Amino acid sequence: AQKVTQAQTEISVVEKEDVTLDCVYETRDTTYYLFWYKQPPSGELVFLIRRNSFDEQNEISGRYSWNFQKSTSSFNFTITASQVVDSAVYFCALSKGNTGKLIFGQGTTLQVKP
Amino acid sequence: DAGVTQSPTHLIKTRGQQVTLRCSPKSGHDTVSWYQQALGQGPQFIFQYYEEEERQRGNFPDRFSGHQFPNYSSELNVNALLLGDSALYLCASSLDKREEFFGPGTRLTVL
Repeated sequence: AQKVTQAQTEISVVEKEDVTLDCVYETRDTTYYLFWYKQPPSGELVFLIRRNSFDEQNEISGRYSWNFQKSTSSFNFTITASQVVDSAVYFCALSKGNTGKLIFGQGTTLQVKP
Repeated sequence: DAGVTQSPTHLIKTRGQQVTLRCSPKSGHDTVSWYQQALGQGPQFIFQYYEEEERQRGNFPDRFSGHQFPNYSSELNVNALLLGDSALYLCASSLDKREEFFGPGTRLTVL
């Protein structure tokens, strides 16, 4: 069975601090995709990144970076120099192959204080 | 370019009633998925439609049904509403099984 665990329920940081959101997944599939989504108070899930299981190269996009390690089944997300606008709930998700059926974690609520 | 749109924004129903939620996918997308998100939880996959057929289904009872129209828009129907059906219902669209883009959701409250 597939499962995504986000052990951090809530994180609070002060603006400009770096913060890492943890994501651990379980799957028996060899081909799978991992995702991160941001959900601001408005409720709409905002797509951040998709990574397939064959690509362990880390990725950086502005202040965002992702570390994918198959050896530990982790796909962690780091925000550098956090800003108040980063405050939201962040979800890690997994899909089998490229089916589009997403299995979400419980989410991590990030609060960035000014 | 309009993103995924959903209607209505909010809805209040009573137990036993039926409800229909609507979704228009992002322009150019052909696949629509529906998710249920209870308060404080991650979204749960309900089902996915492609070419007007249900392609995949999650662990939801038959009270949850759907439809996709030739223009790719979709409806989610829930019959015999229960209090536990109160949630945010999210629609997501994609093209050719690529990343899904989500709509703002419909907040359903069952009294």
